[in-house]
Amino acid sequence: AQRVTQPEKLLSVFKGAPVELKCNYSYSGSPELFWYVQYSRQRLQLLLRHISRESIKGFTADLNKGETSFHLKKPFAQEEDSAMYYCALSSYNSWGKFQFGAGTQVVVTP
Amino acid sequence: EAQVTQNPRYLITVTGKKLTVTCSQNMNHEYMSWYRQDPGLGLRQIYYSMNVEVTDKGDVPEGYKVSRKEKRNFPLILESPSPNQTSLYFCATSSSGPYNEQFFGPGTRLTVL
Repeated sequence: AQRVTQPEKLLSVFKGAPVELKCNYSYSGSPELFWYVQYSRQRLQLLLRHISRESIKGFTADLNKGETSFHLKKPFAQEEDSAMYYCALSSYNSWGKFQFGAGTQVVVTP
Repeated sequence: EAQVTQNPRYLITVTGKKLTVTCSQNMNHEYMSWYRQDPGLGLRQIYYSMNVEVTDKGDVPEGYKVSRKEKRNFPLILESPSPNQTSLYFCATSSSGPYNEQFFGPGTRLTVL
């Protein structure tokens, strides 16, 4: 069965400090991994996906199949990064199914 | 303007009173999906539809029904709501499947008394 685990419910960091959000998954096939973000009073939106190999708003995420992880990183946190972050998993083999983790609330303090 | 809309945005109802939450998109997307968001659990998929007339269960389908008679609409039906269905509900769409970017509606906050 597909499963996404985000071990941290809350991450509090200072502005300018590095931030890393952990995500581990379990899936027997070839997963598609995503990070979605929900800023205050905004809709849930895609931040990045591993297949694109992009850096969005300074964030990067590397898929580590050996450790089944897809951690999200940013070297210097900004106050506007305060939001709820969800790791999520899909697969071409699992048809339309989609799983989110429980989410990590990030608070960046000045 | 590309839009995903949900109605109503807020609803308070009583146990057993049938209700429908509508979802509509003007993006000509094939894929639509419903999620519920609960504290500590994140978002969980209720039902999804790969295209018109094709729907399937997500992880938490019990107590819900859906229909996809036309591409733009994907209503969520609660035939006999119960208090454990009190939640925040989101509709989402993508061009061809969840492996592509999903665009989310604004959410519907449902309270079942």
